[in-house]
Amino acid sequence: AQKVTQAQTEISVVEKEDVTLDCVYETRDTTYYLFWYKQPPSGELVFLIRRNSFDEQNEISGRYSWNFQKSTSSFNFTITASQVVDSAVYFCALSPPRGETSGSRLTFGEGTQLTVNP
Amino acid sequence: GAVVSQHPSRVICKSGTSVKIECRSLDFQATTMFWYRQFPKKSLMLMATSNEGSKATYEQGVEKDKFLINHASLTLSTLTVTSAHPEDSSFYICSAREPWGQETQYFGPGTRLLVL
Repeated sequence: AQKVTQAQTEISVVEKEDVTLDCVYETRDTTYYLFWYKQPPSGELVFLIRRNSFDEQNEISGRYSWNFQKSTSSFNFTITASQVVDSAVYFCALSPPRGETSGSRLTFGEGTQLTVNP
Repeated sequence: GAVVSQHPSRVICKSGTSVKIECRSLDFQATTMFWYRQFPKKSLMLMATSNEGSKATYEQGVEKDKFLINHASLTLSTLTVTSAHPEDSSFYICSAREPWGQETQYFGPGTRLLVL
């Protein structure tokens, strides 16, 4: 069984602060994919990043960075110099590879509501 | 990135009526689409996996006769909520899986259903 835990239900920061959203996962698969999605108040889920289990390189995209640590089964997401527009619910998700019996089903965490105050 | 549209974005209907929601992948062909339901301040709950040309696979506890799914083409899947009741009111979101092997699901903007 797969499980994703986002222990932080809500985080509130002031603009320009850095913030890290935690994600811990459980899986028996040796190959898997990890994702982060952003859900602004409008409701649409916006894809942010995908990570393959065999690629532990950290990634940076503008103010966003991701730290994948296979040893601790974590895939944390950091926003540097946060902005009000970053306010949203952020979901971490896990998927087995295509072809596995469970298909490409995404297992979502419960989400972290990030509020960035001006 | 890939674009998925969903229509309608919002619908209000009377109890007992049926509502059809469309999910379209606009710039890629999707053999597999997914339907989710989301309650306020909750995570997404997978309802069913929609496969083009075959029957949908429903998650445990989801009534297949209540939530009819049709994936008639590589760019369109529909979810029909039959004989809707107030408890069916929710936010329904579809996603389409990219066909080029990287497993990413791209989501539609969602449909807010309110059953009176």
